[in-house]
Amino acid sequence: ELKVEQNPLFLSMQEGKNYTIYCNYSTTSDRLYWYRQDPGKSLESLFVLLSNGAVKQEGRLMASLDTKARLSTLHITAAVHDLSATYFCAVEIMNYGGSQGNLIFGKGTKLSVKP
Amino acid sequence: ETGVTQTPRHLVMGMTNKKSLKCEQHLGHNAMYWYKQSAKKPLELMFVYNFKEQTENNSVPSRFSPECPNSSHLFLHLHTLQPEDSALYLCASSQAHGMGIWYNEQFFGPGTRLTVL
Repeated sequence: ELKVEQNPLFLSMQEGKNYTIYCNYSTTSDRLYWYRQDPGKSLESLFVLLSNGAVKQEGRLMASLDTKARLSTLHITAAVHDLSATYFCAVEIMNYGGSQGNLIFGKGTKLSVKP
Repeated sequence: ETGVTQTPRHLVMGMTNKKSLKCEQHLGHNAMYWYKQSAKKPLELMFVYNFKEQTENNSVPSRFSPECPNSSHLFLHLHTLQPEDSALYLCASSQAHGMGIWYNEQFFGPGTRLTVL
């Protein structure tokens, strides 16, 4: 059974600081997704990582994937209040039979950025 | 309408009621999903439909009954629910493999907040 663990689950940080959220998973996969969820809102797709060593950046967020270590990171640079949200990683179960694999989600990291 | 829409956004029902949740996607996708999001639990996959055919039922109790009349619409019929079924129910869609896409980026609707009394 594929397990996906995020840490930390709660993160309170000051504006301007840097921090990293970690996503570890328990079985082979080279497809990993990061989502953002604001309170009462839907999940918004942030990054799609599809190979070992993949790195994607958007604004103050940068995501990377190390499939050998079964680890993805979401790095926050110079945090601002607008980044306050819950961030989820999701790992795709590799399905070699032709159809897309299901996603297994981590519990989410609730980020609060304070002035 | 764009993206994935869900109605109603909020629903309160008694344990003996029957209600339905509706999801519609405007993205031209052909795979649709129901998820349950409870406090302090990871997102739980409930059902998967590919090209209107159910391909996954993740050991969901029979009081939840999905229906997918076409690739754009997905319903979740609810009957005799329990208080522990109170949660946010999220619908998602993606492009199924074999359509030039080989990964499963899913796009989510806003969810229906369900409260069972």
